[in-house]
Amino acid sequence: EVQLVESGGGLVQPGGSLRLSCAASGFNFRSYEMSWVRQVPGKGLEWVSYIGGSGTSMYYADSVRGRFTISRDNAKDSLYLQMNSLRAEDTGVYYCARERERVLLYYWGRGTLVTVSS
Amino acid sequence: EIVMTQSPATLSLSPGERATLSCRASQSVSASLAWYQQKPGQAPRLLIYHTSNRATDTPARFSGSGSGTEFTLTISSLQSEDIAVYYCQQYDNWPPALTFGGGTKVEIK
Repeated sequence: EVQLVESGGGLVQPGGSLRLSCAASGFNFRSYEMSWVRQVPGKGLEWVSYIGGSGTSMYYADSVRGRFTISRDNAKDSLYLQMNSLRAEDTGVYYCARERERVLLYYWGRGTLVTVSS
Repeated sequence: EIVMTQSPATLSLSPGERATLSCRASQSVSASLAWYQQKPGQAPRLLIYHTSNRATDTPARFSGSGSGTEFTLTISSLQSEDIAVYYCQQYDNWPPALTFGGGTKVEIK
């Protein structure tokens, strides 16, 4: 069974940093493309970032490019999102998602809440 | 950027009724369209991909149709467990971006 478990969320001040993790299990992690998607509480969904299976291909939403960095450790079956220069508008639940059948967001984790506030 | 617009914002129906949710793209996305269901307090779940393919464990009462710029998610007979917000998402211009619609909230009357 595919399992994705996010962690690392919390309260951080504007301008601060946070590193999110997503622990994967139940599949051969290195073979799959992964993404991060976020959701402001009570609002819609926003794709944030993508990384290919080998970790050499990455893409970012315009709203986070230059501040967020996606990475993965295939030996640890883990996906990461390093978030720097955080802003109030980065507040939300962050989900990691796995690809299947060319659909990037086929499987989802339960999410971790990030709150950016002073 | 491709903009996805969903209508209506809220749909209130009685159990057993047919629900029709619409999604419009600002330009053609071919058949690269997915639908997600998000129940209260839960993560989104993929329902339909490539316009009309049901994802694993998606009940047969859910179906998708359309092409180009106009898409529809149909729930043939609404059940109480279908109360959720439904999002459409295009992936035709991937990379570099994926975009979601604003969602349709389905309520039981």
